[in-house]
Amino acid sequence: DAGITQSPRHKVTETGTPVTLRCHQTENHRYMYWYRQDPGHGLRLIHYSYGVKDTDKGEVSDGYSVSRSKTEDFLLTLESATSSQTSVYFCAINGQGADGYTFGSGTRLTVV
Amino acid sequence: AQSVTQPDIHITVSEGASLELRCNYSYGATPYLFWYVQSPGQGLQLLLKYFSGDTLVQGIKGFEAEFKRSQSSFNLRKPSVHWSDAAEYFCAGSGGYQKVTFGTGTKLQVIP
Repeated sequence: DAGITQSPRHKVTETGTPVTLRCHQTENHRYMYWYRQDPGHGLRLIHYSYGVKDTDKGEVSDGYSVSRSKTEDFLLTLESATSSQTSVYFCAINGQGADGYTFGSGTRLTVV
Repeated sequence: AQSVTQPDIHITVSEGASLELRCNYSYGATPYLFWYVQSPGQGLQLLLKYFSGDTLVQGIKGFEAEFKRSQSSFNLRKPSVHWSDAAEYFCAGSGGYQKVTFGTGTKLQVIP
C-alpha cells in the first residue's frame, strides 16, 4: 500500500544479533502495529503504538522492543535474535473508528 | 478471552461454485468484525467490515458477510468463485476500535 512501507523486505541474520525493522507511514495515523505471521497461528500482535512515544505490549512481546519517536516511523527491534523469531513481520496502521487496518507488504526475517 | 475462530484450515471449490468461509467470534459485546484476504507474498487487504447496522455487509471483489449474533458467526460468502480468488482469508475482530485479533486463516484453492 502506498501509505505504508516496511524495510527491509527480506533479511537473514545470525542468532544472537540485534535486528531492527522499520515501518514508515505517510497517512499521519495515530495507531501503528507490529504483527508476526506464522503458519497455523495467523497474525499475532507483538507491540502497538497509540502515539509518539506511547507504546504497549501485545500477546507475543517477549524478545521484542519498539520505539516511536515520530508519528510516521515505528521501529521493531529484536534485541537478540533467536530461531523462533524467524517469521514474516507485518506493520499495520489505523486511523480512527472501525476502518480496519492498512497493512504493509511485510518483512521476511530468517534467523540462522 | 476475546477471540475469533476459523474452523476450516483449507477449502477447495470449483471455479463458478459458491463459497462460504466460516468465522466464529467470542466477545462480550458486539465486536467490530473484519475479513481480510492475503495473496501469496503479499500483505493483507481488507475485504469488508462490520460494526453495527445492517447485518449483511457487502465488500469488495463481490464478497459479502453476514453477522449472526445468535450463532456468534460472521461467515464470508461469494456466489461464484473465480480462479483469482485463490488466496488465504483471515477473519478478525476487536472489542473496540483497536487491537484487532486475527483468526488462523483459511486457504482457498480454486480448481478449474
